[in-house]
Amino acid sequence: KAGVTQTPRYLIKTRGQQVTLSCSPISGHRSVSWYQQTPGQGLQFLFEYFSETQRNKGNFPGRFSGRQFSNSRSEMNVSTLELGDSALYLCASSPDGHSYEQYFGPGTRLTVT
Amino acid sequence: DQQVKQNSPSLSVQEGRISILNCDYTNSMFDYFLWYKKYPAEGPTFLISISSIKDKNEDGRFTVFLNKSAKHLSLHIVPSQPGDSAVYFCAASGRNNAGNMLTFGGGTRLMVKP
Repeated sequence: KAGVTQTPRYLIKTRGQQVTLSCSPISGHRSVSWYQQTPGQGLQFLFEYFSETQRNKGNFPGRFSGRQFSNSRSEMNVSTLELGDSALYLCASSPDGHSYEQYFGPGTRLTVT
Repeated sequence: DQQVKQNSPSLSVQEGRISILNCDYTNSMFDYFLWYKKYPAEGPTFLISISSIKDKNEDGRFTVFLNKSAKHLSLHIVPSQPGDSAVYFCAASGRNNAGNMLTFGGGTRLMVKP
C-alpha cells in the first residue's frame, strides 16, 4: 500500500497570506490527524478528522482550520500567516476511530517570511 | 504544561551497546504509549507501543517498559546499530480522547557511533 502523501513538500509564503496543505491517507484509513512540529514546541496536535467530521482539536487559534473529504483526503488551511507559523506540518492516518497507531506522511515544510 | 516529557535532548551510544531512552508523563488518564523514530526530512515512523495494562512489550531489538506508579516509560534498544541514529519521540493517548489524538514528548536525538 502507498503511504501517507502530503503536498506540497515545501512552501514559502509571506506574512498575511493564507495557505492550504493537502494530505492523502493510506488507502482504507478513515482517520486523519494534523500536527505541527517546531524546534521549540516539538510535535503539537492540531486536529483530527474521522468520516468528514472533526473529532478532536488542539490548542491552536481559529486561523488554523481543516476539512476532510468523502474519500478521506484532508486539507488544512492557515489564514493570515504569521512568522511563528513556520514549521513542519505533519499529517497522520489511522485505519479507524479506535486505533492508537498513526502513520505519518513526510510533512510539508512551511516558511513564512 | 508539558504532559509528556523527554528530559534528555540527546544521547550518544557505542554500536553494540544498549540505548535507553526515557519519557515521563503527568496525565494519569493516559493509557496507551507509543515510540516513534524520525529521520531528517521524513515523518515519524511507528516503532513500538504499550498498553497501560502491561509493564513490558518487546519487538526484536526494541523493548518498552512502563512504570505506571512512577508515570515513566523507557525504550531499550539492544544492540544499538548506527542505523538507529535518529530522533525518538514518545507519545501518549488517553481514555479522555474521543479519537486518535497523541501527545508527544520533545524528542531525544540518539547517535550510535560505529
